[in-house]
Amino acid sequence: AQSVTQLDSQVPVFEEAPVELRCNYSSSVSVYLFWYVQYPNQGLQLLLKYLSGSTLVKGINGFEAEFNKSQTSFHLRKPSVHISDTAEYFCAVSDRRGGSNYKLTFGKGTLLTVNP
Amino acid sequence: DAGVIQSPRHEVTEMGQEVTLRCKPISGHNSLFWYRQTMMRGLELLIYFNNNVPIDDSGMPEDRFSAKMPNASFSTLKIQPSEPRDSAVYFCASSSLTRNYGYTFGSGTRLTVV
Repeated sequence: AQSVTQLDSQVPVFEEAPVELRCNYSSSVSVYLFWYVQYPNQGLQLLLKYLSGSTLVKGINGFEAEFNKSQTSFHLRKPSVHISDTAEYFCAVSDRRGGSNYKLTFGKGTLLTVNP
Repeated sequence: DAGVIQSPRHEVTEMGQEVTLRCKPISGHNSLFWYRQTMMRGLELLIYFNNNVPIDDSGMPEDRFSAKMPNASFSTLKIQPSEPRDSAVYFCASSSLTRNYGYTFGSGTRLTVV
C-alpha cells in the first residue's frame, strides 16, 4: 500500500514569486507519481506525471516536478506564479505493477493562493 | 474525445428524495471511480469498478448509497433516501488498466440536499 503526505495545506505567495509545493510518499514498491490541479468549481486536471526516465518532469502551465527516489519526494515547482495559478493541487501515487495496482492514492491537497 | 461526462452538473433535492448521478467514462477505459469531495473531508473514494465489476466499495458511507455499472460506457451512483449531509461535489473518473496515464476526471455533480 502507498501513502502520500502533502506537507502544506495552504501556501500563499505573491504574483511572480517562485513556489514549491511539497509531496512525500511512502511505498514498498516502485511507483508512478502524479500532480493534479483543481481550479475553483472545476474537476481535477492532470498537471504532470512521472512514469520513467528523466527525474525532472515538465507539465502544463510552466510547472515542473522532480522525482527524488532517495528522499521519496515529488515536489512541484514554478519559477514565477500568476494569479490564475490559484487552485488546489493534489499529489498522487500508484504502484507500477499494473492492473488494479494502478489505483491512485491521493494526498489531502495544497491550496495555492497567489496574491497581487 | 469528449472526456468523462457527468450529469447533471447541479442537483438540488429535498431530504428523503432519491438522487441518481450519472457518468460516461472515456471510451476504452476499463476502470471507473466515484469520489466525493467536501470541505470537511476532502476527496474521498467511494467505490471503483474494473471491467464493470465493483472491486472496492469500502468507501460507500451507508447502505443509502449504491452504484452500478451495467456496461463499459455508463455508471450511476444512487442515494436513497438523500440527507443534507450528503451535500457535496461528486466526481467520476476513469482510467486504463493496461496503461497508467493517471485518471481523467469529469467536471463533477454539485449535490445540494435541503
